[in-house]
Amino acid sequence: AQSVTQLGSHVSVSEGALVLLRCNYSSSVPPYLFWYVQYPNQGLQLLLKYTTGATLVKGINGFEAEFKKSETSFHLTKPSAHMSDAAEYFCAVSENDYKLSFGAGTTVTVRA
Amino acid sequence: NAGVTQTPKFQVLKTGQSMTLQCAQDMNHEYMSWYRQDPGMGLRLIHYSVGAGITDQGEVPNGYNVSRSTTEDFPLRLLSAAPSQTSVYFCASTDLRGNYGYTFGSGTRLTVV
Repeated sequence: AQSVTQLGSHVSVSEGALVLLRCNYSSSVPPYLFWYVQYPNQGLQLLLKYTTGATLVKGINGFEAEFKKSETSFHLTKPSAHMSDAAEYFCAVSENDYKLSFGAGTTVTVRA
Repeated sequence: NAGVTQTPKFQVLKTGQSMTLQCAQDMNHEYMSWYRQDPGMGLRLIHYSVGAGITDQGEVPNGYNVSRSTTEDFPLRLLSAAPSQTSVYFCASTDLRGNYGYTFGSGTRLTVV
């Protein structure tokens, strides 16, 4: 069975600082991995995804994530936080059957 | 290009009442699914469908029914609402061609009193 653990339910960063959101997964097969962002009172929007190929994945809004099989991790980073990055972020995993399992989410606040 | 449309956006029900949450997509996606979002628990899969006439249970199906008579529509029915079903409900769809680019609706906030 697949599952996702997001370390830290809340992260606070200063504007311009590095954003690092941690995600570890468990899967019985090579997984597909995703990061989604949710702005207040909105649905989820895909930031980036890893299916096959290059393990460093670039997404929208300057975010990227690296798939590390040996560490079963898929951490999300952005070099320089912007006020507009304040949102809730979800890591998700799929075992190639189109069903996504989500982590509990990490809320990011950005300090001016 | 509407994407995934959910109605209503907000609903208050009394315990024991029934209702249907509507979900429609105009992208010809084969796969559709319903999730509920609760604080600190992420999104949990309720039911899903890989095509018209085919549905299956997800992680938390109890208290909910679904049907898929057309490719476009995937309604979620609460037969007898309970306070434990107070949540935000999201419908999502994707194609089955390996894209995995889920499109989410904007959600239905349901309160059961």
